[in-house]
Amino acid sequence: AQTVTQSQPEMSVQEAETVTLSCTYDTSESDYYLFWYKQPPSRQMILVIRQEAYKQQNATENRFSVNFQKAAKSFSLKISDSQLGDAAMYFCAYRSLTGSARQLTFGSGTQLTVLP
Amino acid sequence: DGGITQSPKYLFRKEGQNVTLSCEQNLNHDAMYWYRQDPGQGLRLIYYSQIVNDFQKGDIAEGYSVSREKKESFPLTVTSAQKNPTAFYLCASSRTSGHLRDNEQFFGPGTRLTVL
Repeated sequence: AQTVTQSQPEMSVQEAETVTLSCTYDTSESDYYLFWYKQPPSRQMILVIRQEAYKQQNATENRFSVNFQKAAKSFSLKISDSQLGDAAMYFCAYRSLTGSARQLTFGSGTQLTVLP
Repeated sequence: DGGITQSPKYLFRKEGQNVTLSCEQNLNHDAMYWYRQDPGQGLRLIYYSQIVNDFQKGDIAEGYSVSREKKESFPLTVTSAQKNPTAFYLCASSRTSGHLRDNEQFFGPGTRLTVL
């Protein structure tokens, strides 16, 4: 079974600065998907960014980018030019390609505070 | 607008009572999922369904039951056998084709269940 670990329960960043959230995972599979989800105070889960494991190029979405290190099984999220609206709980998630199900395995989350 | 609706937003239950949480989607997705979220933990999969009239247990199915009689609906029943049902429950749906973008899970706004 796969596991996802987020070792930073809480992080804070000054507005307009850059912050990196860490995520490591454990798997014996060679191909899979990785995701970062954001959960603001409304508790609505929002997909931030996704990465296919077979792609070496790191995914980017505007101010959000990842550092995907497949050999190290690391998938960190970098938020540039942080905004007050980025304050939320961030979850890293893993999705296997084997089997027919498409369920996600989530980490325990990192609560990000953005300081004005 | 397409999306996922969950009702009610808040639900209170007395010990020993069964309660059903509603989840409806109009995204024409084949797959639907139920997750449970506890403080300090990530989302954990309860049940999932990839097609009408078929569903599978997730990691924490004990004390829960589901049905999938219609493509659009995937209700979750929390039974009296669930020892600690107070939690936040999230429903999600996704397509079942192979491309990464079709693997995105869309989440509903959630239901907060409190056992009195």
